[in-house]
Amino acid sequence: DARVTQTPRHKVTEMGQEVTMRCQPILGHNTVFWYRQTMMQGLELLAYFRNRAPLDDSGMPKDRFSAEMPDATLATLKIQPSEPRDSAVYFCASGPDRVIDTQYFGPGTRLTVL
Amino acid sequence: GEDVEQSLFLSVREGDSSVINCTYTDSSSTYLYWYKQEPGAGLQLLTYIFSNMDMKQDQRLTVLLNKKDKHLSLRIADTQTGDSAIYFCAETAGGGNKLTFGTGTQLKVEL
Repeated sequence: DARVTQTPRHKVTEMGQEVTMRCQPILGHNTVFWYRQTMMQGLELLAYFRNRAPLDDSGMPKDRFSAEMPDATLATLKIQPSEPRDSAVYFCASGPDRVIDTQYFGPGTRLTVL
Repeated sequence: GEDVEQSLFLSVREGDSSVINCTYTDSSSTYLYWYKQEPGAGLQLLTYIFSNMDMKQDQRLTVLLNKKDKHLSLRIADTQTGDSAIYFCAETAGGGNKLTFGTGTQLKVEL
């Protein structure tokens, strides 16, 4: 049963620290998405990759956030420096890049910045 | 712009039917989806409908699409406590599998 995995599942850190979240997409999926979910803003798309190339990161605060795919089995989302307003659940999703197909979500990383 | 709107909350009694509504703006959407998010978990695909269909039934789930009004609904028959979750509708946006998600509807099932 193929699944998207995310690590860590929970992260508590202090303001100003660097945070790195990792995602392993489902083998064979060539699109990867990063989302942020908060009570106030709902589900926001942060970044979108196809074949490891970033296609859309317009939803991501560029000054502190960065998203990369070092290889096809790993996607990372970094926040440096972190701020309390970054506290949220961050989801990674992957999928085959076809309209008929959809996205498969990981369990999320719950980030708390004190 | 692309906005997908849903009502925030719905409360039903166990055994009743639930109807969750969604309005979308992108008339070129090819597929429309319903996702379910249980507490502490990621979103899970429930069902989808192709834009040239009016209705799709899948066990207890019925999806209705009114393309003229850009209105999508999800009916859950015989709602159970395990159906308590947040339900998101989503539409394809810009080709491929990039999606625009709605605001989510929290369904609470009471005994």
